[in-house]
Amino acid sequence: DAKTTQPPSMDCAEGRAANLPCNHSTISGNEYVYWYRQIHSQGPQYIIHGLKNNETNEMASLIITEDRKSSTLILPHATLRDTAVYYCIVRVGYAGNMLTFGGGTRLMVKP
Amino acid sequence: ETGVTQSPTHLIKTRGQQVTLRCSSQSGHNTVSWYQQALGQGPQFIFQYYREEENGRGNFPPRFSGLQFPNYSSELNVNALELDDSALYLCASSLRDSQNEKLFFGSGTQLSVL
Repeated sequence: DAKTTQPPSMDCAEGRAANLPCNHSTISGNEYVYWYRQIHSQGPQYIIHGLKNNETNEMASLIITEDRKSSTLILPHATLRDTAVYYCIVRVGYAGNMLTFGGGTRLMVKP
Repeated sequence: ETGVTQSPTHLIKTRGQQVTLRCSSQSGHNTVSWYQQALGQGPQFIFQYYREEENGRGNFPPRFSGLQFPNYSSELNVNALELDDSALYLCASSLRDSQNEKLFFGSGTQLSVL
């Protein structure tokens, strides 16, 4: 799986959009971008994934650049409960249960 | 709430002992995997099971072993515990036959080895 690079930490004001960047310059054509988050004392939670088109669901939006070398996870209206570590992972569409987690970004949402 | 349950939630063992951790998969899921998460780090893949057989393994020694049962529940066994085995152990389940499968994690078992 391609390696990803994320900033170690970010702050966001409650109610504002949180934009979390991820670099994956060595991504292959058949690799998807996945985002998971881990709230303290819980297991990781799936957020969203995409191949090359932008994606949106009830939790977040995923913007992938045209060259697919980077992406941004957007939480449109961050709440205090969005405080967590966010992991960007790239992997082939079917790779079993093996996810390669990096260090992630620790997002702190502040009142 | 993911539907994946793990037991126990916390466990204390001493070096050299053996431990068994348990996981109940989400209903309808046929694949289970285990991850180890040391303090301050991301989860590390241990292995996965599909149809009761090991189907992928990370960089962990043979003293880490597992089982998957016909009802898709699973166990992680660790023999000859070492201090460095102290970590949060996470179980994740998914439906193997779906493309772009999503993993659903339990809340983990916090293991402390003294």
